[in-house]
Amino acid sequence: DIQMTQSPSSLSASVGDRVTITCRASQVTKNFLAWYQQKPGEVPKLLIYDTSTLRSGVPSRFSGSGSGTDFTLTISSLQPEDVATYYCQKYNSVPLTFGGGTKVEIK
Amino acid sequence: EVQLVESGGVVVQPGGSLRLTCAASGFTFDDYAMYWVRQTPGKGLEWVSFITWDGGITHFGDSVKGRFTTSRDNGKSSLYLQMNNLRDEDTALYYCARGTSAHAFTYCDCWGQGTLVTVSS
Repeated sequence: DIQMTQSPSSLSASVGDRVTITCRASQVTKNFLAWYQQKPGEVPKLLIYDTSTLRSGVPSRFSGSGSGTDFTLTISSLQPEDVATYYCQKYNSVPLTFGGGTKVEIK
Repeated sequence: EVQLVESGGVVVQPGGSLRLTCAASGFTFDDYAMYWVRQTPGKGLEWVSFITWDGGITHFGDSVKGRFTTSRDNGKSSLYLQMNNLRDEDTALYYCARGTSAHAFTYCDCWGQGTLVTVSS
């Protein structure tokens, strides 16, 4: 089965910092890669799909990039409301695997 | 407004069975494939199942294959997860989620609040 490895598993950054989260697939997933944000005590919310398409209403400081097996979620200027755990997910074929998550905190 | 409301989560003994229900509203239910995703308390997300718009095709994660089934009743705008031979490791918050295609695997654009299943003797 394809594994989705996220790194780092957690990070602490200052408000205004640029934050980068990586998701690596063990096999090629084409561009069928999504990112979700889960704030503490809340339901996961879709941020980005098809690797780089920002869901309507998501702030433009979020962006996604990548191809093949390596993907990145970037927050260009970290805000206090971005404290959350972020998950990647592949959906090109079953199993529709999620990454292990990256917990983002404010320093 | 799109709403997904899960129910049916309870405490059940190992080896027991349970059926979860997801009631959908605010959209045309039979236009979409649907998913179950679970989250162990304090841990990450795990995809559980997929079902096409008409229930004709289903897929399951390896950890539940052969024990769980999924079905839907489009007339009632409801999705179901039948869970048999439950194990301790099935303890989780179970989310119902909507795909963005009737047939194909996609991301999930809407999620319910989840229903908690606890497997314990």
